[in-house]
Amino acid sequence: DVKVTQSSRYLVKRTGEKVFLECVQDMDHENMFWYRQDPGLGLRLIYFSYDVKMKEKGDIPEGYSVSREKKERFSLILESASTNQTSMYLCASSRAGGGQPQHFGDGTRLSIL
Amino acid sequence: QKEVEQDPGPLSVPEGAIVSLNCTYSNSAFQYFMWYRQYSRKGPELLMYTYSSGNKEDGRFTAQVDKSSKYISLFIRDSQPSDSATYLCAIRFSGGTSYGKLTFGQGTILTVHP
Repeated sequence: DVKVTQSSRYLVKRTGEKVFLECVQDMDHENMFWYRQDPGLGLRLIYFSYDVKMKEKGDIPEGYSVSREKKERFSLILESASTNQTSMYLCASSRAGGGQPQHFGDGTRLSIL
Repeated sequence: QKEVEQDPGPLSVPEGAIVSLNCTYSNSAFQYFMWYRQYSRKGPELLMYTYSSGNKEDGRFTAQVDKSSKYISLFIRDSQPSDSATYLCAIRFSGGTSYGKLTFGQGTILTVHP
């Protein structure tokens, strides 16, 4: 069975902190993605990676960076957390190739105070 | 205009009803169509996946794609209280890079009453 694991379900941080969100997949998938989900705005893509050490900006990359040092692990970094980054963060992975569906973790609910 | 439009609801139906959930899209280059189900405090779970016009059935669920009208639907027969969730449509382009982006609808909140 497909398994995407996000390290924390709930996280509370302070404004200005550097925040790390971790995601691990066990399906040997090439592609990994980070989204945020907000009421009324749906899922918005922050960054994605199609290979180790490779990354591409999504629709809302400002204020975020990512790291993919190993195929199974994709990290999202909030360089200096702000209150408008309070959100649900979802990680997903998929195989390479056209039309492959994405498989999601259960999310990290992040609150920035 | 959003690339993918989905009525957010909420939609409330009695147990046993047939549920129809819909999305419209604007770009004819979209070729792959997915439906996800998201329970409260959980991540989206892939429910249905199709890439051609017509119907695809899986148990009580039927996904329908009409590319000429740029319209996709998910039907749930004999709906159950356990079907209460948010349903998200997701669409992507054909071709291009292998890591093509999914474009999501806003999600429809469904409640099935016993």
